[in-house]
Amino acid sequence: QTVVTQEPSFSVSPGGTVTLTCGLRSGSVSTSYYPSWYQQTPGQAPRTLIYSTNTRSSGVPDRFSGSIFGNKAALTITGAQADDESDYYCVLYMGSGIWVFGGGTKLTVL
Amino acid sequence: QVQLVESGGGLVKPGGSLRLSCAASGFTFSDYYMSWIRRPPGKGLEWVSYISSSSSYTNYADSVKGRLTISRDNAKNSLYLQMNSLRAEDTAMYYCARVDWNSDYFDFWGQGALVTVSS
Repeated sequence: QTVVTQEPSFSVSPGGTVTLTCGLRSGSVSTSYYPSWYQQTPGQAPRTLIYSTNTRSSGVPDRFSGSIFGNKAALTITGAQADDESDYYCVLYMGSGIWVFGGGTKLTVL
Repeated sequence: QVQLVESGGGLVKPGGSLRLSCAASGFTFSDYYMSWIRRPPGKGLEWVSYISSSSSYTNYADSVKGRLTISRDNAKNSLYLQMNSLRAEDTAMYYCARVDWNSDYFDFWGQGALVTVSS
């Protein structure tokens, strides 16, 4: 069973920079997994932020960026704002029409 | 603009059945793969199932295989999830999402339908 790992929680100061990561319990994350990132605030539908590792979805500000960092996918938020306080999920595509979500990271901005 | 609207959620007893629907508009539905994703209360998002544009291919998470069935009606621009033998752990907000097959990600999401499995 594939397990995608994310930090359960993270904290950042307003204006600060934070990098959230997305790994595999067994193995390394590469661009071949087409990592994507989603933001979800309570009571709202998920919002697509990043796809194909580092492509921003339409309307997403450029302070959100994606990359491969070592053996993990990464989402970096530069100049964090109060309304960035949300849950963030990465998803890896495993092929054959199967996706696996990470457990999500609860980001606090304070 | 792309719109996905889920319906059919509700309260059902363990072992019961429910059928979710997702009405799509604002794009050529028959050109796109579609997926169902859920979020149980207090937990994270979980991919549930996907279906190809012509219904030729489907796939499911192990946790729902054999109990949930995805289908679509391209003439009605609608996606469905037939849920049988429901368990308490199927309690979740269920989202339909459009799949961008070029980059294998979910580009548009519905607002969700709540399914509660409880006696």
